[in-house]
Amino acid sequence: KQEVTQIPAALSVPEGENLVLNCSFTDSAIYNLQWFRQDPGKGLTSLLLIQSSQREQTSGRLNASLDKSSGRSTLYIAASQPGDSATYLCAVYKDSNYQLIWGAGTKLIIKP
Amino acid sequence: GAVVSQHPSRVICKSGTSVKIECRSLDFQATTMFWYRQFPKKSLMLMATSNEGSKATYEQGVEKDKFLINHASLTLSTLTVTSAHPEDSSFYICSARDGDRGSGELFFGEGSRLTVL
Repeated sequence: KQEVTQIPAALSVPEGENLVLNCSFTDSAIYNLQWFRQDPGKGLTSLLLIQSSQREQTSGRLNASLDKSSGRSTLYIAASQPGDSATYLCAVYKDSNYQLIWGAGTKLIIKP
Repeated sequence: GAVVSQHPSRVICKSGTSVKIECRSLDFQATTMFWYRQFPKKSLMLMATSNEGSKATYEQGVEKDKFLINHASLTLSTLTVTSAHPEDSSFYICSARDGDRGSGELFFGEGSRLTVL
């Protein structure tokens, strides 16, 4: 059974720092992996989708990598800003039926 | 493109009443839609998968008679919480698959917060 773990559960860093959020999964046979952010009381904003044949995706200050063999994905945020404060969720597409297995999220606080 | 809209974003109702939440794909045809529930400080839990024109497939432990899902068109799915009780209070989110796009990506609505008094 696929399980997705995100460590740490919470992270607080000063503004301007580069940081890495981690996502691990137990079954390397995944379809895609997607990173989201969720602001308090709000829905999900998709950040990056990494398809199974890809190793990384970049959007602005965000870079997500995928290593299926080791069951890991990382989300790198460069030059963090207070507006980056949110909960970051990683989700694994277990197959082509679009069913997602979710991590519990990392709550990120960027201190001004 | 690929926008999914949920309505209402917030709803408060009395115990025993029914509440309908709509999920619309605004600029694509959603052959499949998914409904999730999120408890405070928890991750999302898949409730059901709905395919246009057919009955929804519910996850284990989700009461199909309490959470009625209808996917009558390629742009609209509805979730009706029947005879709502305070324990049904939660954040409900839908997602949709673009049937014409093979990106393997789901698009998410903004979520609906239900509070049952």
